[in-house]
Amino acid sequence: TQLLEQSPQFLSIQEGENLTVYCNSSSVFSSLQWYRQEPGEGPVLLVTVVTGGEVKKLKRLTFQFGDARKDSSLHITAAQPGDTGLYLCAGAPNYQLIWGAGTKLIIKP
Amino acid sequence: GAGVSQSPSNKVTEKGKDVELRCDPISGHTALYWYRQSLGQGLEFLIYFQGNSAPDKSGLPSDRFSAERTGGSVSTLTIQRTQQEDSAVYLCASSLNRVNTEAFFGQGTRLTVV
Repeated sequence: TQLLEQSPQFLSIQEGENLTVYCNSSSVFSSLQWYRQEPGEGPVLLVTVVTGGEVKKLKRLTFQFGDARKDSSLHITAAQPGDTGLYLCAGAPNYQLIWGAGTKLIIKP
Repeated sequence: GAGVSQSPSNKVTEKGKDVELRCDPISGHTALYWYRQSLGQGLEFLIYFQGNSAPDKSGLPSDRFSAERTGGSVSTLTIQRTQQEDSAVYLCASSLNRVNTEAFFGQGTRLTVV
C-alpha cells in the first residue's frame, strides 16, 4: 500500500515565526501536489512539484521535492494569520490521487 | 462549467431516510472523486471514476453508500437509510485526466443526520 505520511498533524505558532511541514513516503512519486483548505471550503491547489530536487516559491511559501521523489516539504517564512488552514499533500502513483492526512496549522496574531 | 458545483450545500435529514448528493465536475474532466471529511480531519476517500473505466469503489464504508456517474459528467452519491455517523461534509473533486491529476474541489455538501 502506498501511503503519504504528513507531519506534524497539528501546529500552532505565533505570527512571524517560521515553520516546516513534511510529506513522506516509501514510494517514488512522479509528482506531488500541495493543497490548502480553509474552513467551509474545499481544498485549493497551491503547487505541483515534478522534478527531484525541485524548489518552488509562492510568496512566503517554499515547496521542495526530495531528490529521490519520495518526500516533499513546505516551509512558511514569517507566518501570518491568513496562513491558517489544513495543508494536504497528494500524489497519484497509479493515476489515482492518494492523500496525506493533513497538517492543521493555526497562526496566532 | 467554471468550477466544480455541488448541491445541496447543506442537507439535514432524519435518521433512516435516503439522501442524494450531486456533483457537477468541470467540463471535460474525465476523473471524478468523492470524499468524506469530518470536522477538522483529513479526506476520507469514497469512490473514484475515470472515464469509462469501472469505478474504484474501495472506499465506500458500507453497502448503504453508492454512486453513479452518468454520461461521464454529473455524479450522484446516494446514502440509503442514513445513520448519525454519516454526518460529515461530502466533497467532490474532478481532474483533467489520468496524467494531469491536479484536483479541483467543490465547496462540499454538509450532511447532518438527526
